[in-house]
Amino acid sequence: GAVVSQHPSRVICKSGTSVKIECRSLDFQATTMFWYRQFPKQSLMLMATSNEGSKATYEQGVEKDKFLINHASLTLSTLTVTSAHPEDSSFYICSAREGKQPQHFGDGTRLSIL
Amino acid sequence: DQQVKQNSPSLSVQEGRISILNCDYTNSMFDYFLWYKKYPAEGPTFLISISSIKDKNEDGRFTVFLNKSAKHLSLHIVPSQPGDSAVYFCAASLTSGTYKYIFGTGTRLKVLA
Repeated sequence: GAVVSQHPSRVICKSGTSVKIECRSLDFQATTMFWYRQFPKQSLMLMATSNEGSKATYEQGVEKDKFLINHASLTLSTLTVTSAHPEDSSFYICSAREGKQPQHFGDGTRLSIL
Repeated sequence: DQQVKQNSPSLSVQEGRISILNCDYTNSMFDYFLWYKKYPAEGPTFLISISSIKDKNEDGRFTVFLNKSAKHLSLHIVPSQPGDSAVYFCAASLTSGTYKYIFGTGTRLKVLA
């Protein structure tokens, strides 16, 4: 149980492109979803927290107009990196939680902007 | 400001022996702690957690110890198996508000056969 599916697993695109990443909870209702970013050999840094049907809460230093988050249902959240540039290249990973249960993570998306 | 620290980036242990992974935190308000395991190209997998009202929690081969006065927690794996080779992240949380996690930088465990 508690499976989180993240798609796509790898994206390579040109600078200026917008990229959408999907995160789905497959067998539970995710009251809260989280988006993280991980740089090589560093920790998972929380970017934003989203609750179904409400606006995401962004961490300090994360541009909300750059990283658009939509949590339209209890099983789906999307992260859109708008007008991506090489410095946005990173590993993005989502997690989902039902109530007060531990977060369950997707397998991440490796984003490479050329 | 790194609120959760894992000072050992890597650890090697012989199969069958005990693996001890350590984690320190600075915020005394944290009241819930977790350990996750991560294989390459996969997301972290939840292993075990502990509330600040306890000082030990055990699940099979995995035991987490919490020393609140020292702001230190550790994960013991015994006996260690080659399949335990992975990166281990500790995380700390407040059980209020959004329950967001603060992660350490991870320790890469290699269990040698």
